[in-house]
This record gives sequence, C-alpha cells and structure tokens, in this order.
Amino acid sequence: EIVMTQSPATLSVSPGERATLSCRASQSVNSNLAWYQQKPGQAPRVLIYGASTRASGLPARFSGSGSGTEYTLTISSLQSEDFAVYYCQQYNNWPRTFGQGTKVEIK
Amino acid sequence: QVPLQESGPGLVKPSQTLSLTCSVSGGSISSGSYYWSWIRQPAGKGLEWIGRIYPNGNINYNPSLESRVTISVDTSKNQFSLTLRSVTAADTAVYYCARGGGYYSSWGQGTLVTVSS
Repeated sequence: EIVMTQSPATLSVSPGERATLSCRASQSVNSNLAWYQQKPGQAPRVLIYGASTRASGLPARFSGSGSGTEYTLTISSLQSEDFAVYYCQQYNNWPRTFGQGTKVEIK
Repeated sequence: QVPLQESGPGLVKPSQTLSLTCSVSGGSISSGSYYWSWIRQPAGKGLEWIGRIYPNGNINYNPSLESRVTISVDTSKNQFSLTLRSVTAADTAVYYCARGGGYYSSWGQGTLVTVSS
C-alpha cells in the first residue's frame, strides 16, 4: 500500500497570502495524484487531478505541481472560502490511498 | 456534477451487516466509462477507499476490507450498493458514494453509520 504523507498538518495563513501544501508518496505515483478540498459537514470536492489539471470551474489561484513522489498544491492568494481541509490521493496503485489532510486555518 | 445520494440505516448493531445504497441521477449509471466507488471517513479522521465497481461487474476492493465487503450494481434502478459484514465500532463513519475509479469527480453528501448496540 502506498502511504501518502501530507505536511504540514495545520497551516495558518492570512487572507490574501500564499499557501503551499505538500504531499509525499512512499513510492512513485506517476502523477496519478488528486487534491480535494473538504469543508465541515460537506463531502470532499476534487480540485486537481493528474497532479496539475484543475477541475472544471476551479479558480486559477489553485495550482498543482510535482512528479514521482513529491507533490504540491499552491493557493496563490487565500480567500475566505478557501479555509478548509485539503487531502491528496493517489490513484496509481491499489488500494487507492489518501493523505491524512492539511487544515488551512485563518491566521 | 452528477448528483449521488446515499441511503440506508444510520445505526447498525455490532456483528451485524451494514447495507447502503447510492442512487445516481442525471444520467444512466451504465453510460459513459465511469467506475462507481465507496469511500468512508471516521469522525475527525481521514478518508479510506472501500472499493469500486464498473457496470459490467468489474470490481476492486480494499484488501483491508475485502473479506467483509461486497459492492454490487443495479443498472435497472440506476443504483449501486455496499454491504459490509460483521461490523464493529471501528466501522462507524460517514460513508460516501462517488463517481470515479481513480480520482472522484462527484460525491454524495455522505451518510453517517454508527455501529452500536
């Protein structure tokens, strides 16, 4: 099983600032990597797939990058609606696995 | 976004069987090249993939649950289902159905299932 490790666990950011979230896989996932946003009481929603492809309608302030075992989600200028928990997920191997999440909170 | 809706009992006794159904609207479950998946999330914790099914019957399960889980599809009702046997308190979670076999592009709202006597 591929273990996905996200860092940091919590990220405190002021509105308008840049947020950088990291995700490391225990072995290469060949860019078969997705990012999700989850707000309290809601289902996750996909933001990025294929490591860098934005989901339909996603604002351009969200971007994904990386390859092999190291991936990054960047939110260029945090808006109030972006404070949430973010998960990465690999879909290169079985079973599909998620990271433990990074909570982005208001500083 | 394709609307999905989970349904089923919110309370299951230990050692019994958890059964959930996901109803898909906005299109036929057997059209397109989509897998249909189940994912769960214990309170305050992360996400765990349970398994996926293709309308032709192709199925994959998480090895950690494979001995207890069955996923099936009913194309005539545009639904797919999850059965988890011999449940314990560790199976208490919000259960989501989702579209996709790799990444998940549409999710149901989730349903809380509590395992308790």
